[in-house]
Amino acid sequence: EPEVTQTPSHQVTQMGQEVILRCVPISNHLYFYWYRQILGQKVEFLVSFYNNEISEKSEIFDDQFSVERPDGSNFTLKIRSTKLEDSAMYFCASSADRTNTEAFFGQGTRLTVV
Amino acid sequence: AQSVTQPDIHITVSEGASLELRCNYSYGATPYLFWYVQSPGQGLQLLLKYFSGDTLVQGIKGFEAEFKRSQSSFNLRKPSVHWSDAAEYFCAVGPLTGGGNKLTFGTGTQLKVEL
Repeated sequence: EPEVTQTPSHQVTQMGQEVILRCVPISNHLYFYWYRQILGQKVEFLVSFYNNEISEKSEIFDDQFSVERPDGSNFTLKIRSTKLEDSAMYFCASSADRTNTEAFFGQGTRLTVV
Repeated sequence: AQSVTQPDIHITVSEGASLELRCNYSYGATPYLFWYVQSPGQGLQLLLKYFSGDTLVQGIKGFEAEFKRSQSSFNLRKPSVHWSDAAEYFCAVGPLTGGGNKLTFGTGTQLKVEL
């Protein structure tokens, strides 16, 4: 069964450092997403990406964040200068097309900023 | 703005008992509705979804949910809970048209199953 793959599963970084979280969406999917879940809180939408550009982003997704699909298979989330409050589980998701079909989620990357 | 309310933060049931997890939503139009489950250390797995048609939808693992437009609810049910159902359950809504899958999640309900 096709699945969304995220690496690494856990990353620890020092405050102020840049991190890149990686995702391999399902191969024939066209929409890609990042969500985050701060410990004990709900899952929050960060950004959606379609046709090589951001289609929607939340107020959380400020200038510290960027997304990229560098090679047609990977989908990355970069945080330029991490803050303590960026510590969270980050989920990548993908869906097949523009209509609202099922979003398949990866296992998540737990980011810990120290 | 859309929102999802899951009024029960924690629920404990005995194995074999029935289960109902509540979800209420606020949305400007008819939404897509989803239930996801998250086991410890795992990602989000889709249990079921409602787009249109029959308001009682069947999902995986023996779960079902009923959409009630008049109550803006989409409660999740299972007639007999298994110990392996212990997990966190999230209700989510998404836009009916266009825009892909920007989902708004509820705060989740943590289910504990007593043997």
